[in-house]
Amino acid sequence: QLQLQESGPGLVKPSETLSLTCTVSGDSISSSNYYWGWIRQPPGKGLEWIGSISYSGNTYYNPSLKSRVTISVDTSKNQFSLNLRSVTAADTAVYYCARSGVSGTDYWGQGTLVTVSS
Amino acid sequence: DIVMTQSPDSLAVSLGERATISCRSSQSVLYSSINKNYLAWYQQKPGQPPKLLIYWASTRESGVPDRFSGSGSGTDFTLTINSLQAEDVAVYYCQQYYSNPHTFGQGTKLEIK
Repeated sequence: QLQLQESGPGLVKPSETLSLTCTVSGDSISSSNYYWGWIRQPPGKGLEWIGSISYSGNTYYNPSLKSRVTISVDTSKNQFSLNLRSVTAADTAVYYCARSGVSGTDYWGQGTLVTVSS
Repeated sequence: DIVMTQSPDSLAVSLGERATISCRSSQSVLYSSINKNYLAWYQQKPGQPPKLLIYWASTRESGVPDRFSGSGSGTDFTLTINSLQAEDVAVYYCQQYYSNPHTFGQGTKLEIK
């Protein structure tokens, strides 16, 4: 059974970089049929797609965040990561890592709340 | 970006009755070459990640009860929940994955009347 687990700091200061890692178990992140990505949800609000990365390292970002986002993959550790630079309070959200393919986003992590505050 | 608009924002339905949620995309999400709509529906309960219910607009994900069904093509889509159960109380989202960014609808909160 595929499982995804987010990890990283729960509190980040304004103007600093939010860094999260997603550890994948039960499948190889090198699978050619899937994309590995990040989605966030501010408290009490809807879902926002941040971006994704393919097994080969091709990245796709939401234009609204593109200037601040980097998604990378470490196949040796079966992990992928999110870096979001220059954060503000508006970046406070639950961050989910997830697997996507031609049949939608079928596996999600449990999510991790990241609060941006001094 | 493709804008996804759901209606209504909230919905109250009696147990055993039918719930219908609409989703409209600002442009077509139909891949004509394979005749597939890149449109998915998700259910999210409090404190949980979203759960995939429907993909390709009308294909039920494995393990999803058959009271959930999806329909539509192009720009107009519908999620129908027949014989509403108490455990169906949740927020439902549509998402297009036809083009980046993979945008979501604003969500529809489903409650029991």
